[in-house]
Amino acid sequence: QVQLVQSGADVKKPGASVKVSCKASGYTFTSFYMHWVRQAPGQGLEWMGMINPSDNSTTYAQKFQGRVTMTRDTSTSTVYMELRSLRSEDTAVYYCARGVQPHFFDYWGQGTLVTVSS
Amino acid sequence: SYVLTQPPSVSVAPGKTARITCGRNNIGSKSVHWYQQKPGQAPVLVIYYDSDRPSGIPERFSGSNSGNTAALTISRVEAGDEADYYCQVWDNSSDPPYVFGTGTKVTVL
Repeated sequence: QVQLVQSGADVKKPGASVKVSCKASGYTFTSFYMHWVRQAPGQGLEWMGMINPSDNSTTYAQKFQGRVTMTRDTSTSTVYMELRSLRSEDTAVYYCARGVQPHFFDYWGQGTLVTVSS
Repeated sequence: SYVLTQPPSVSVAPGKTARITCGRNNIGSKSVHWYQQKPGQAPVLVIYYDSDRPSGIPERFSGSNSGNTAALTISRVEAGDEADYYCQVWDNSSDPPYVFGTGTKVTVL
């Protein structure tokens, strides 16, 4: 069965960086894009970007350009999302989600809470 | 920017029907997908391509999309259907290309 298992919660200070991992299993890792979606406390869902594990190509939302990097490790079927220059508004639960390209997301990770606080 | 408008809340009695709308000009020309999110949990896909159901999703969940409004309908509502619901579209002419609706909290009375 498809599983996406994310790294644990993290607390960062403003200006720092965070790197969240998402380990995939139960399917061919390179056959599906992986997306990152975040959700601030009490708020809706916000798409951040996606990576094609097959060729490591990425597409980011303009809002996050220059601050986010998505990478993958095919040897461990893991994707990573690094967000830099953190501010309090980045406090959110970050989800990885498998993409059925180009349209929707069929499996989601359990979410990783990132708290940005001084 | 691209906005998909949903009612903030819908209340429904058990056994009745809940209808959640997702509005945008000419949304009928896009494929709409729906997610259910229970408190503290990740979203779950319940409808894709306007009206298709993933395996494991009850037939009580159905979708439609025409003109300026897409809708998710939950028939014979159960207590376990209480959750937030989000619509979503892909539009490669917008940034971001993946847009979620504003979300609807369904409360079972």
